[in-house]
Amino acid sequence: DGGITQSPKYLFRKEGQNVTLSCEQNLNHDAMYWYRQDPGQGLRLIYYSQIVNDFQKGDIAEGYSVSREKKESFPLTVTSAQKNPTAFYLCASSPDRGWGNQPQHFGDGTRLSIL
Amino acid sequence: GENVEQHPSTLSVQEGDSAVIKCTYSDSASNYFPWYKQELGKRPQLIIDIRSNVGEKKDQRIAVTLNKTAKHFSLHITETQPEDSAVYFCAASLAGNQFYFGTGTSLTVIP
Repeated sequence: DGGITQSPKYLFRKEGQNVTLSCEQNLNHDAMYWYRQDPGQGLRLIYYSQIVNDFQKGDIAEGYSVSREKKESFPLTVTSAQKNPTAFYLCASSPDRGWGNQPQHFGDGTRLSIL
Repeated sequence: GENVEQHPSTLSVQEGDSAVIKCTYSDSASNYFPWYKQELGKRPQLIIDIRSNVGEKKDQRIAVTLNKTAKHFSLHITETQPEDSAVYFCAASLAGNQFYFGTGTSLTVIP
């Protein structure tokens, strides 16, 4: 779906460094999500947001932070507190705030590695 | 919270045969069940979905069945082709638009 753009495609993090992954959508979707994907595992929810200026922790929020200042944007910061950040990170959005669930649309992902 | 289990984790079939992937969920309040296909290094793409008020849905070679009583749903791919080779994920969604994913099935279609 060309409506969700993640950048960068590849990212390297040094010890003790915070890094920010970008996610922008032009689909006018209310809800946005961040998932982490490790080899051989499913998608695990980090954070999600159903409306601007509001977000909730998912199952593995420790070591991550987010903001939702604009409807179009939902950046994810991987902090130095996240000791095992190497993974494939996927951003998604969906058009509904809570009534009648709608499918999620995914970005192309960011692959984060430790230097 | 919801727990989604998916089986098998790997599946190999001969081209032209059928493939079946099964998922179970734990929360009877889940009401929406999408299936995604993910090719290596790419984004998951929705291939079919089903809501809790429907028992079966078909789209050409792909079908999904839902058994609410037993809390399981299955993906059926008929007449498989090499381009069907990918990882398939099931998901269950509760009200509030939170999704819970299975651990994925790596499907290989052997020409």
